[in-house]
Amino acid sequence: NAGVTQTPKFRVLKTGQSMTLLCAQDMNHEYMYWYRQDPGMGLRLIHYSVGEGTTAKGEVPDGYNVSRLKKQNFLLGLESAAPSQTSVYFCASSQTILPGQDHGYTFGSGTRLTVV
Amino acid sequence: DQQVKQNSPSLSVQEGRISILNCDYTNSMFDYFLWYKKYPAEGPTFLISISSIKDKNEDGRFTVFLNKSAKHLSLHIVPSQPGDSAVYFCAGQDAGGTSYGKLTFGQGTILTVHP
Repeated sequence: NAGVTQTPKFRVLKTGQSMTLLCAQDMNHEYMYWYRQDPGMGLRLIHYSVGEGTTAKGEVPDGYNVSRLKKQNFLLGLESAAPSQTSVYFCASSQTILPGQDHGYTFGSGTRLTVV
Repeated sequence: DQQVKQNSPSLSVQEGRISILNCDYTNSMFDYFLWYKKYPAEGPTFLISISSIKDKNEDGRFTVFLNKSAKHLSLHIVPSQPGDSAVYFCAGQDAGGTSYGKLTFGQGTILTVHP
């Protein structure tokens, strides 16, 4: 049981390049999330999805797009990367709409992205 | 607006002593609070949670206390072990309206437990 798998684990991009981060979960979870972690800022929500075919903006959505064409996959795209998007990106999934009552989110191991 | 704040970036304790990590929040719509633990190069993992209608929840060496009137919660680790050295995040779950149970995280506190 792999849980939540993120690919790639590391990536260096040049300013203006595009890329897609892939998140795959094998737990049949309905809810999926993309967070970024920055020093002193904690984890901030970028986009999230409450089911296949649905997406919504989180706290810091600018510069990112997402798609959830299949229930198990949640893709995060950077159309034109900027140095401010240098961060560690975490994907998470949840069985319930109220993760506090369960065991919270299940996180992937992260993607470390550097934009130069 | 930082809805969840962990004002101590780091904490250092001796093995066997108590570790107390603090968290403050401003959103009155939070109905659950969670603590996550994160090791380097890994994703955060769930540690313990507490409902807003309770003031204490205990799980082995970990206890979370909630003071709703002060909008403050704390995580106690007793006794602390070197393997507890990690970054600890607190998070609030917003059950209101269209929040879809989203979690809002604090900045994290780096705990170092010295042998």
